[in-house]
Amino acid sequence: EVQLVESGGGLVQPGGSLRLSCEASGLGLSNYWMHWVRQAPGKGLVWVSRINGDGSYSSNADSVKGRFTMSRDNAKNTLYLQMNSLRAEDTAVYYCARDAGWRFDPWGQGTLVTVSS
Amino acid sequence: QSALTQPASVTGSPGQSITISCTGTSSDVGGYNYVSWYQQHPGKAPRLMIYDVTNRPSGVSNRFSGSKSGNTASLTISGLQAEDEADYFCSSYESRGAHVFGTGTKVTVL
Repeated sequence: EVQLVESGGGLVQPGGSLRLSCEASGLGLSNYWMHWVRQAPGKGLVWVSRINGDGSYSSNADSVKGRFTMSRDNAKNTLYLQMNSLRAEDTAVYYCARDAGWRFDPWGQGTLVTVSS
Repeated sequence: QSALTQPASVTGSPGQSITISCTGTSSDVGGYNYVSWYQQHPGKAPRLMIYDVTNRPSGVSNRFSGSKSGNTASLTISGLQAEDEADYFCSSYESRGAHVFGTGTKVTVL
C-alpha cells in the first residue's frame, strides 16, 4: 500500500521559514512527479508546487514563487518544501500527493502550518 | 491561476441523484481531458473519485460518474447515501503547466 506521511508543520512568525517533509512508503518516489497542495482553514484546495521524478525541474504557483522551493531526495524516498518569507496567508494544512497521471493520488494526511506572531 | 467555479452547496435526499458543476476556461477544463474530482470528509485528506473526466479508480462506487461539455465538467452522484455527505473539489491541468482546483461544493444528504 502506498503511503505518504508529511511532517515539519508548526507555528512560525511572519517572515520566518519552515521546511516540510513528505516520506513515501510502498512506492519508489523517483518514478513520479510529486506535488504539494494546501488548504487554509475552512477553505478550498490550492495547488502549490510540483517536481519531476529526478528533481531537475520544479514549478510553483504564482502566490509562492520566489519564496517556496520544492526538492526531493529519492534515496530517502522523501520530498521537501522549503518555505521562506512566510505570511499569514500561508497558514494552511499542507498535503503532499503523487501525480498518478494528471491526477493526485494518493494524498498524505497533511501537516498544519500556522503563521502568526 | 483563478479557481474553477463550483456551486457552494448541493443538497439531496437518500436515493436521489445530484450533479455538481465545475466551470473553467479553454485554458484548463475546456482544453484538456485531465479533470479529476476529489471527496473530502471533515478533518480527512482528499480522496480521488474520478480522473480524466470520466474514469473511476478501483474501489470507487459506480454511483459516481463524470462528464464534460465545453468548459464545464460535472460530477454526478446517483443513489445518494449518507456517507456521500462531504466536500467535493474538481481539479484540472492548465496550459501554463500548473494545476487548478475548484472552489469546492458541500454536499448535504437530508
